[in-house]
Amino acid sequence: GENVEQHPSTLSVQEGDSAVIKCTYSDSASNYFPWYKQELGKRPQLIIDIRSNVGEKKDQRIAVTLNKTAKHFSLHITETQPEDSAVYFCAASKAEGQNFVFGPGTRLSVLP
Amino acid sequence: NAGVMQNPRHLVRRRGQEARLRCSPMKGHSHVYWYRQLPEEGLKFMVYLQKENIIDESGMPKERFSAEFPKEGPSILRIQQVVRGDSAAYFCASSRQGQGGYTFGSGTRLTVV
Repeated sequence: GENVEQHPSTLSVQEGDSAVIKCTYSDSASNYFPWYKQELGKRPQLIIDIRSNVGEKKDQRIAVTLNKTAKHFSLHITETQPEDSAVYFCAASKAEGQNFVFGPGTRLSVLP
Repeated sequence: NAGVMQNPRHLVRRRGQEARLRCSPMKGHSHVYWYRQLPEEGLKFMVYLQKENIIDESGMPKERFSAEFPKEGPSILRIQQVVRGDSAAYFCASSRQGQGGYTFGSGTRLTVV
């Protein structure tokens, strides 16, 4: 079955710097890759997603890149702010609306 | 749109009791997913249901756990004879199939004492 790895497990950056979180997946049939943000005690919230026919997608300060050949995808957050502090989860799925395999999460701390 | 509604938010059960967790999907969503999150860990898939059908239960433990999504009413995740290891946050999510990432509810935090 699918296995999703995520690095780093923790990441601290200064406010205004960029943060990059990387994920790898094992199943070449996976073709949908969402990213979720989870604040302490809250629900996971979808922040961006990418489909396998696209190499990059951007939404304001957040971007995701996908390398299908290497089976890895990354989340990029620019101009980080304290409210970006949370746990970020990547996931992989064989289709939108199917069950996801999540990575173990990255705890991002943005220091003021 | 009220979003995905889960109740209760917190549930305390003694070992050996039953736990029932409820999930009402977003309006217009007919697909429901249950995930379990242990403290400081990621989300683990449990079961995927459509109305009156279990589509994928590959993540469900073989014993004590069951799920349903009846024609009327919320989806129910039922845990019989709970043990301490069942203590976790249980999140429900819903989607329209083929419409992108799904929306999670606020979760039920189960504590077994």
